[in-house]
Formats: sequence, C-alpha cells, structure tokens
Amino acid sequence: EPEVTQTPSHQVTQMGQEVILRCVPISNHLYFYWYRQILGQKVEFLVSFYNNEISEKSEIFDDQFSVERPDGSNFTLKIRSTKLEDSAMYFCASSVTAAETQYFGPGTRLLVL
Amino acid sequence: RKEVEQDPGPFNVPEGATVAFNCTYSNSASQSFFWYRQDCRKEPKLLMSVYSSGNEDGRFTAQLNRASQYISLLIRDSKLSDSATYLCVVNMGGNYQLIWGAGTKLIIKP
Repeated sequence: EPEVTQTPSHQVTQMGQEVILRCVPISNHLYFYWYRQILGQKVEFLVSFYNNEISEKSEIFDDQFSVERPDGSNFTLKIRSTKLEDSAMYFCASSVTAAETQYFGPGTRLLVL
Repeated sequence: RKEVEQDPGPFNVPEGATVAFNCTYSNSASQSFFWYRQDCRKEPKLLMSVYSSGNEDGRFTAQLNRASQYISLLIRDSKLSDSATYLCVVNMGGNYQLIWGAGTKLIIKP
C-alpha cells in the first residue's frame, strides 16, 4: 500500500539554524499539507499546497516558514531560523483531492536546543 | 468557543466493554467529518469518515448530528489494541483546512 514518507525521522538543531524537513507524498496525490504537534498538544495545521502554490496557511506559518516542491516527488518544509518553540513533531500529509482523506507520514521529530 | 471540542479523558474501560465519545463543532457549515486514531508518538491514521446517515465498520460506529453539531464514536467489544487517542476532525469546506480536536485518550484495561 502506498504511503507518505518523511525524512529525517529525528532532527536536532541549534536555535537560529535553518532546517529542511522532507516528505514524499503518495504519487497520485495532488494536495499536500504540513502539520505540527507539540508534545502533549493537538495537531495544528500549518499549510496546504496545490498546483505548486500555497492554497491555505495558518497564522503559525509565518515568514520563517516556507514550502517547496523542488521536483516531482519531494515536498519540503523549511524553517529559516529555528526557535526553541519550534520543537515539535512535524507531519506531512497528502490527499487525492481537497475533500478526500488525508494520509499522514510518520513525522519528523524536531528538537531545537 | 473552540472550533472542535472533545473530552480529553482518559477513559479507562475494561476489555470487552462498550465505550462512546462525542465531539462538538462550532461551525454549522462544516461539511466533512472524520475520526482519526493516534497512537503515542505516531502519526494520526484515519479510523473512519462520518456520514450523515451514520456508518459502521466492524466494532466501530460513527454518528453525525447536524442539528446539535456533534459527532460520536462508539466502540463495541473493546480490545486492548483500541487504546489510543481518538481525534475528531472537521472539514469546514471552502479552504479545505482540517480542524482538529485535541483528542480523547482511551485506555483499555485487561
């Protein structure tokens, strides 16, 4: 069964450093998403992406965040200058259409020191 | 008022029992509803979509009450492996953003 994959599974970085989280969505899916979940808290929407552009973003997704689909398979989330409060699990998801089920990757656990 | 509210639990339930939890949503224009399951430190996984007429999948039954703006999940004959956090998710439509509840933690005890 096709699945969303994410790399790395864990990332430790120093505050102020840039990180890039990578995702490979399911191949026939057209909509891509990033979510984050701070330990012990709810899943929070960050951004959705369709047709090579952002279709929706939350207030969390400020200027330090960016997303890109650099090729036909990868979908990346860049955090330009990490802060301590960026420590969280970051999930990528994809769906065939906007209204259909979103399938999640296993997540990248980011720790900012 | 929160957009999607759930009782955080935990619900401690003996194996074999029936357990039910509700989730309320604030936007009456919400169009799609889902229950996801999340195991500790894992990604959310779709348990079932919730249809207007209600739907059943094995031991799991989901109901939607649009008038009162809540959805419910019933688990019959609970198993130890049902222990997880159950997330209520609502699609407000239009911008397609999923709105997540904080989850209800379920612990099934032998």
